[in-house]
Amino acid sequence: AQRVTQPEKLLSVFKGAPVELKCNYSYSGSPELFWYVQYSRQRLQLLLRHISRESIKGFTADLNKGETSFHLKKPFAQEEDSAMYYCALSGRGGGADGLTFGKGTHLIIQP
Amino acid sequence: KAGVTQTPRYLIKTRGQQVTLSCSPISGHRSVSWYQQTPGQGLQFLFEYFSETQRNKGNFPGRFSGRQFSNSRSEMNVSTLELGDSALYLCASSHPSTSGESYEQYFGPGTRLTVT
Repeated sequence: AQRVTQPEKLLSVFKGAPVELKCNYSYSGSPELFWYVQYSRQRLQLLLRHISRESIKGFTADLNKGETSFHLKKPFAQEEDSAMYYCALSGRGGGADGLTFGKGTHLIIQP
Repeated sequence: KAGVTQTPRYLIKTRGQQVTLSCSPISGHRSVSWYQQTPGQGLQFLFEYFSETQRNKGNFPGRFSGRQFSNSRSEMNVSTLELGDSALYLCASSHPSTSGESYEQYFGPGTRLTVT
């Protein structure tokens, strides 16, 4: 069975400080990993995916298959980064076969 | 393009009743997935429809069902409602990719179902 674990329910950092949101997964095959974000009163939206290897809004995430992790990082947090962040896993390519989500981390950036 | 729309946005039902929720995907998207979001369990995958066929199903009882129409609009139905079915139900649509990788899902605002 596939599983995604986000160990921190809440993470509070000061503006300008580095941010790391942890995500670990369990899956026997080759997963595709995503980070979704939900800003206050907005819809859940894709932030980034490991396949594209791009940086969005200063965030990056590297898939580490040895540690089965996909941590989200940003060197300098901004107040507008405050949101709920969800790590998600897709177990099969070629289709939206259902994402397995972590429970989410509420990121609060303090001024 | 207009985003994913879901109706109704809020719903209150009584235990034992049934409910139907509707989802209109982004124009051109043929895949629709449904998720249940609760404070305790988080976001859980219900099922996915593609070209009017259920392609994948999560671990939910048979009381939860869905369908997709030829215009890609989708409905989900919950029969014999239980208190534990109170949740935010999210719909997401996506467009097939030719590269073989999973593609981005675009989420709707959700339908908040309260069962009393």
